[in-house]
Amino acid sequence: SQQGEEDPQALSIQEGENATMNCSYKTSINNLQWYRQNSGRGLVHLILIRSNEREKHSGRLRVTLDTSKKSSSLLITASRAADTASYFCATDAGSARQLTFGSGTQLTVLP
Amino acid sequence: DVKVTQSSRYLVKRTGEKVFLECVQDMDHENMFWYRQDPGLGLRLIYFSYDVKMKEKGDIPEGYSVSREKKERFSLILESASTNQTSMYLCASSSQRGLQPQHFGDGTRLSIL
Repeated sequence: SQQGEEDPQALSIQEGENATMNCSYKTSINNLQWYRQNSGRGLVHLILIRSNEREKHSGRLRVTLDTSKKSSSLLITASRAADTASYFCATDAGSARQLTFGSGTQLTVLP
Repeated sequence: DVKVTQSSRYLVKRTGEKVFLECVQDMDHENMFWYRQDPGLGLRLIYFSYDVKMKEKGDIPEGYSVSREKKERFSLILESASTNQTSMYLCASSSQRGLQPQHFGDGTRLSIL
């Protein structure tokens, strides 16, 4: 079953702008993770935020988590053409070893 | 560096064939997963395994089976391939220790004609 839903489905911005992607989920979670997928490749883990955390940073990435609204956002600051990819949120609930992925946001950064 | 290797990047098979997709990880991970990815549907879990010779059904196991004879290898089997199994197949692995992310292979794009 699909737990996370990303919004928007597609996003196109200019290089240097910030990109914000949102994820909503349905049930209580242990943690939420964000992954990136370049065209034709596998997913790469970006960042993990635990259910008791509200915000986390990693380089140009900022993730927030609002468990009361069952939502998360991923902010990429000062975007680059190389950030063009699909971004997925993934949640785990119950067993910490399985993840449920959303359908992804396709980000295009124009040079 | 972490490495998950899928045996084929592209594969073309015919309806009714038995198809094997192989995945090998070199990180001594306990957990291994098979997903399929279709446009607009994200990743859907087919099967997973927590240990050698163990397997658990995911969300869409129908038409598939798996084999895990060795810790590093997890095989996905399409018993009798059908056209609706044309998809991108992704293998992943993760450690059981703590909150560990999943590491993915580059995928196998499978076409069933």
